[in-house]
Amino acid sequence: DIQMTQSPSSLSASVGDRVTITCRASQTVSRFLNWYQQKPGKAPKLLIYDASSLQSGVPSRFSGSGSGTDFTLTISSLQPEDFATYHCQQSYSISLTFGGGTKVEIK
Amino acid sequence: EVQLVESGGGSVQPGGSLRLSCAASGFTFSNYWMHWVRQAPGKGPVWVSRIKTDGSSTSYADSVKGRFTISRDNAKNTLYLQMNSLRAEDTAVYYCARRGAAYDAFDIWGQGTMVTVSS
Repeated sequence: DIQMTQSPSSLSASVGDRVTITCRASQTVSRFLNWYQQKPGKAPKLLIYDASSLQSGVPSRFSGSGSGTDFTLTISSLQPEDFATYHCQQSYSISLTFGGGTKVEIK
Repeated sequence: EVQLVESGGGSVQPGGSLRLSCAASGFTFSNYWMHWVRQAPGKGPVWVSRIKTDGSSTSYADSVKGRFTISRDNAKNTLYLQMNSLRAEDTAVYYCARRGAAYDAFDIWGQGTMVTVSS
């Protein structure tokens, strides 16, 4: 299976900060990389698909970039509702895999 | 409203069985690949299984292969997961999720159903 490694595992930030989360794949996943936001007790919510395409209804402060093995999720100006855990997920291989998650906490 | 609603979770002893259901509404269920994804307490999501639109193709994570069976009834707009020979490590919230129409990502998720395997 393709291993997905996210960094950092957690971070503290303030409202208005620019936040960047990294996801690295153990082998190429081309651009088949998705990002999800998850709040406690809730299902994940799709933010970004195919590395950089913004899901309908998702605020434009979220953006994704990268290809091959290295990807980033950027929140341009952190809002109170953005404090959550973020997961990357590859859909390149038949066996789909997620990263370990990045928890974004209030500083 | 596009919606997925899981049911069938509960507590079961090791070696036991459970059948999860996922009722779909608000979209043409038969047009979409469907998945099961699970998440153990405090851990990240883990993909479990997928099924093609007409049920003709399925695939499984190695950890559940031979024990779990995914199926669907397009006439009833319902997805299923039959889980046999359950182990403690199968304890998790189980989500059904829809694959996007034009991209390979989970665009709609259910609320999840908890499965606890314990003696």
